[in-house]
Order: sequence, then structure tokens, then C-alpha cells
Amino acid sequence: DGGITQSPKYLFRKEGQNVTLSCEQNLNHDAMYWYRQDPGQGLRLIYYSQIVNDFQKGDIAEGYSVSREKKESFPLTVTSAQKNPTAFYLCASSIAPDRGDTGELFFGEGSRLTVL
Amino acid sequence: AQSVAQPEDQVNVAEGNPLTVKCTYSVSGNPYLFWYVQYPNRGLQFLLKYITGDNLVKGSYGFEAEFNKSQTSFHLKKPSALVSDSALYFCAVRDPGTGFQKLVFGTGTRLLVSP
Repeated sequence: DGGITQSPKYLFRKEGQNVTLSCEQNLNHDAMYWYRQDPGQGLRLIYYSQIVNDFQKGDIAEGYSVSREKKESFPLTVTSAQKNPTAFYLCASSIAPDRGDTGELFFGEGSRLTVL
Repeated sequence: AQSVAQPEDQVNVAEGNPLTVKCTYSVSGNPYLFWYVQYPNRGLQFLLKYITGDNLVKGSYGFEAEFNKSQTSFHLKKPSALVSDSALYFCAVRDPGTGFQKLVFGTGTRLLVSP
């Protein structure tokens, strides 16, 4: 079955440490996204990528970094510069803006990061 | 810039009764509208979308939504609620315009269906 796999499901980090969240998709989608979810704030876009080797900042990119070396993979690194990293992180994908994409997103199961 | 408002943090309904979860939007052009559902500690699941055509769209699990352009609304409805419908519901909007346009989400409405 096609889908999006995020790992790990739960992650604990000490302050000052960088952590990387994995996101892999086998849907053959061109675009991939990272969202952050906090209670009462909905989903906020961190980074997105429309094609391999290209990505753009979303609304809250500070303290985060990404790479898109392969179509299937879009890892997110939460750096020590992120002031409040404890949150639920969601990865998503969509077909492609130029291939009739209506914007429907397919989501992974999420990764919950807790900073101790 | 596009925006979405979900005016109710929580909606309570008894099992078997009809439910409505409200959503209003603001875009400069013709909107693409979506509803997603999220169960605890899970990702979002797509329920339905409005792109064009019939104002009443039907989706998964018996849900439907009505697009009302004059009121800029896209309320989610179900004729008979189930306890298993209890979850967090998100409305989202995209202004297709030109170029890449992101999906903007509302803050979510928690639906609680009591037995």
C-alpha cells in the first residue's frame, strides 16, 4: 500500500540537541511538506518542496532545516535554535502543482517531539 | 492572503442527532475547500473537497459539506452522528490563483458525540 511513513513516532530531546525527523513517501508525489501542530493553533507550515533539490520556507521556518535529495524523502531537522520545539510534527505530500494538483494533502501519522 | 475560521472550539452532539461543524473562508479568487479529520496522536485524514460544480459535496464516512459562496462558508454536516465520529476536524482552503498556493488550515473543531 502506498503512503507516507514518519519516524520516530515519539522522540525526546535534551535542550541544545539537534534532532532529525524522517519522512518517506511511496506515492510518487512531487510535493512534500512539513507542518507543526500545537493545541489550539491548527497546522502551521514549516517548509515545503515542490521538486527534488528545491525547497522553500513556510510560515515558521526559523530553527528548522530540510533537504530534498530524493523524491521519496524529505527529512526535517529541528535545530537547537528552535526556541520552543515541543510539538507534533506532520509530514504531507501532494501530486504536483503543474499536474492537476488540487491541493489535497496526504499525511503521515506524525512525530511527537518533547524537549526535556 | 487566504484564511479560514472555525468559530467553535468544540461541538457537542448526541449520537443519532445531526451534526454541523462550521467553517468560513476568505480568498481573493475561487476557493478550493477541504475537510480533514484527526484522531488522537494520528495524522490527518482527508474527508472531502470542493473544487467546482455542485455546491453539496459528499465524502467519506457519511459526511457532506455545503459550499455557500455568498456566505463564504463550507460547513461540514452529517445526518446522524456516531460516537466514533468524535475527533478533531480541520477545514482548509487554497486559493489556486497562479503559481504554487499553499493549503491554509483553520484551528480545528473538536467534535464530541455522546452515547
